[in-house]
Amino acid sequence: GAVVSQHPSWVICKSGTSVKIECRSLDFQATTMFWYRQFPKQSLMLMATSNEGSKATYEQGVEKDKFLINHASLTLSTLTVTSAHPEDSSFYICSARDRGLEQPQHFGDGTRLSIL
Amino acid sequence: QKEVEQNSGPLSVPEGAIASLNCTYSDRGSQSFFWYRQYSGKSPELIMSIYSNGDKEDGRFTAQLNKASQYVSLLIRDSQPSDSATYLCAVIGTGRRALTFGSGTRLQVQP
Repeated sequence: GAVVSQHPSWVICKSGTSVKIECRSLDFQATTMFWYRQFPKQSLMLMATSNEGSKATYEQGVEKDKFLINHASLTLSTLTVTSAHPEDSSFYICSARDRGLEQPQHFGDGTRLSIL
Repeated sequence: QKEVEQNSGPLSVPEGAIASLNCTYSDRGSQSFFWYRQYSGKSPELIMSIYSNGDKEDGRFTAQLNKASQYVSLLIRDSQPSDSATYLCAVIGTGRRALTFGSGTRLQVQP
């Protein structure tokens, strides 16, 4: 089945640091990937849709200059949290779908980001 | 009104019982519906997908969809303690490509 790999799984860093998270589709090409964020005891909230070869589409309220998304190839999307602060601490999860909308989204293992 | 609504629970059932999880959605044009299971600290894993009205069975799991009532449910037969997790209902709404998730229902299966 479709596999999505996400790296790193855990990051602890100081406030002001920029953190890059990678998301790879291992056995399929993903023209579109999705980035979600989940705070404790809350559901997954879509941050942005990453489009291969073009700009990402951000959800309302998500700062595009703070959460930089790059989707340079059909198998790799990256999310960079720039100048991270403690309020950015969360569980970040990427997702991708193989082909059409009828296919389910598969999720990476997530990245737990803790900003001190 | 939230796009996808679920009772947060916890829903507590004894081992071997049937667990019934419910979900309603607001976008009548939605066409694709999914149930994911999420263990604490882990990412969601797909349980079931359903696209047309009626029931869809896969092992101990049955998904039910009623588009007229904008209602999706998941039944888990012969519940096991390992089924204890948060169950997320997810929908692809009209004109959307990404899943929209409900807040999840926490299921506890008592041994």
